Amino acid sequence: AQRVTQPEKLLSVFKGAPVELKCNYSYSGSPELFWYVQYSRQRLQLLLRHISRESIKGFTADLNKGETSFHLKKPFAQEEDSAMYYCALKEGTGFQKLVFGTGTRLLVSP
Amino acid sequence: SAVISQKPSRDICQRGTSLTIQCQVDSQVTMMFWYRQQPGQSLTLIATANQGSEATYESGFVIDKFPISRPNLTFSTLTVSNMSPEDSSIYLCSVPRYNEQFFGPGTRLTVL
Repeated sequence: AQRVTQPEKLLSVFKGAPVELKCNYSYSGSPELFWYVQYSRQRLQLLLRHISRESIKGFTADLNKGETSFHLKKPFAQEEDSAMYYCALKEGTGFQKLVFGTGTRLLVSP
Repeated sequence: SAVISQKPSRDICQRGTSLTIQCQVDSQVTMMFWYRQQPGQSLTLIATANQGSEATYESGFVIDKFPISRPNLTFSTLTVSNMSPEDSSIYLCSVPRYNEQFFGPGTRLTVL
C-alpha cells in the first residue's frame, strides 16, 4: 500500500541553521510528491511539488527514487518558517487523491 | 487559487448525535474531497464527492456513518452520524485545481 513516512514529529532549530525535514515513501508506480505547509491559524497550502523542481521561500526538495525519499531542505532557517509541514504523495494520474504523512512541526527559535 | 469556506468552524457535540459540515467553493469544480485529521494523526481521505453521482468512499469509511451530499458544483456537505468520541477530529474539504489541491479552513469537532 502507498505510504508516506515523516519520522520526526518535531524539529527545533535556531534561526540561520540549516533545516532538513525528512520524508520517505512507498509506492509501486511513478510517484508525484508534494510538500504542504500549515502556518499558525492558516489553512493547509501547497509549498512545492517535485515535478516543478522549484525553490519556494528558500525551500527545495529533491526526489530520490533510489532511497524513496523527498526530503525538504533550506540552508538558513527563518523564524517565519515555523509551521507544520506535511509530505504528500499523489496516487495515480489525473485523480488528485493525496496520501499524507503525519507531519513535522518545525520550530525556528531566534 | 480557490476560495473555500466551511461551516461550522468548530463544534462540541454529544455522543449519539449528528453534525453536518458545509463546504462552499467560489467556483464550479467537478470533484470535492473530504479529509479527516484525528489528533496527532495524518490527513486521511474519507471520500470523493462528485456532482450528480454518489460519493466514492475510501476503505474504512461508509456512507451510513459519513453521508455526503453534492447538490451542485460549488457546494457539498459531510454528515458525521451517530457520533462517538473517536470522531473528534478536524474535517477538511478540498478541491483540485491546476494540479494542486486547495483546502478549506477545517471544522474542528469535539465529541463528548
